[in-house]
Amino acid sequence: DAGITQSPRHKVTETGTPVTLRCHQTENHRYMYWYRQDPGHGLRLIHYSYGVKDTDKGEVSDGYSVSRSKTEDFLLTLESATSSQTSVYFCAISGAAQGPTDTQYFGPGTRLTVL
Amino acid sequence: AQSVTQLDSHVSVSEGTPVLLRCNYSSSYSPSLFWYVQHPNKGLQLLLKYTSAATLVKGINGFEAEFKKSETSFHLTKPSAHMSDAAEYFCVVTQTGDSNYQLIWGAGTKLIIKP
Repeated sequence: DAGITQSPRHKVTETGTPVTLRCHQTENHRYMYWYRQDPGHGLRLIHYSYGVKDTDKGEVSDGYSVSRSKTEDFLLTLESATSSQTSVYFCAISGAAQGPTDTQYFGPGTRLTVL
Repeated sequence: AQSVTQLDSHVSVSEGTPVLLRCNYSSSYSPSLFWYVQHPNKGLQLLLKYTSAATLVKGINGFEAEFKKSETSFHLTKPSAHMSDAAEYFCVVTQTGDSNYQLIWGAGTKLIIKP
């Protein structure tokens, strides 16, 4: 299995509080992604990174920010959590050769509940 | 813009019978297509991918998919279902050579295996 960890694995928080999710990889892959998974929607891309300090928005980026200060870590921040951000969040990585056309390897997911 | 449609939200088959999970896509460019599988309460795993080589793609666990450009389809098949195949399956489309790293996921098809 690809070396991808996510922390925390479960979190319950209250509306209006900031939340940061961490994705850590040991594969030295260039591309990293954050998705959310909700019933009936499959996975939707929030943000992605194509290198250190290089990030861009995905399909559902509103209310989220990301940072990548080193290759191995990709942080997802909810500045002020809302109940609509209750979801399962997955981090993924892919290799340097072709970016998104490479196979993506997924972390175990973080279940976030916003009350 | 590219899109992907999984034609069935649920598919139920008996153990030992064939499996067909349907996926149609639209893409302005030469697409790359993937099938991922998610077992209950687990992460996502790549089943197979098409990236403009052979149109019949073989994956893990006996699954295969055929890219049909004329029908814009990428259906997933398996000759004989096993109980361990019960999971949710996602069809994913991206485009080769585009600098916009968006991947579009289908809503998923839950495969139910009856004993």
